Amino acid sequence: QVQLQESGPGLVKPSQTLSLTCTVSGGSINSGGSYWSWIRQRPAKGLEWIGYIYYRGSTSYNPSLKSRVTISVDTSKNHFSLNLSSVTAADTAVYYCARDQGSGYGSFDYWGQGTLVTVSS
Amino acid sequence: QSALTQPASVSGSRGQSITISCTGTSSDVGRYNYVSWYQQYPGKAPKLMIYDVSNRPSGVSNRFSGSKSGNTASLTISGLQAEDEADYYCISYTSSSTLIFGGGTKLTVL
Repeated sequence: QVQLQESGPGLVKPSQTLSLTCTVSGGSINSGGSYWSWIRQRPAKGLEWIGYIYYRGSTSYNPSLKSRVTISVDTSKNHFSLNLSSVTAADTAVYYCARDQGSGYGSFDYWGQGTLVTVSS
Repeated sequence: QSALTQPASVSGSRGQSITISCTGTSSDVGRYNYVSWYQQYPGKAPKLMIYDVSNRPSGVSNRFSGSKSGNTASLTISGLQAEDEADYYCISYTSSSTLIFGGGTKLTVL
């Protein structure tokens, strides 16, 4: 059973960089066909796809966040990471990591529990 | 890219059927058979209910079904049960090789 766990600071100051890691257990991040995504949900709002990475390093990002987002993977540690720069209060959200079983087409079969990140001074 | 359009809320009585629509464009929903649907309870991570328009993951009730016509995908829940009361989101692959969610629909079971 694949499990995902987000980790990182729960509080980030405005203008700084938000950094989160998603550790995968019960399976390899190298699994063929698996893409690994970050998704967020602002308070009382809907889901927003941030971007994904394939274990070989190819990425795709939400155009509205592309200039501030970097997603990377470390196969030796079986985890992938999110960096979101120049954050503002609008980036306050629950951040989820998820596995896309369908080659990056949006079928997320495994999710982390989510981690709340608050942007505040 | 703009979010896919879903009704903000739908409601139905126990035992009835409801349908939630998800409208996109010819660059996303209309172009690919890569629409998925998620169920989310408050404070919980979403759960995959339908993928690739109409495929149901193992363990998901056959009361849930998906379809697509043109630029609009639909999720139908038959035999509504109290436990179906949740938020539902659609997502589609796009011609820019990105993904886009719908705004979400709150389902109330009367």
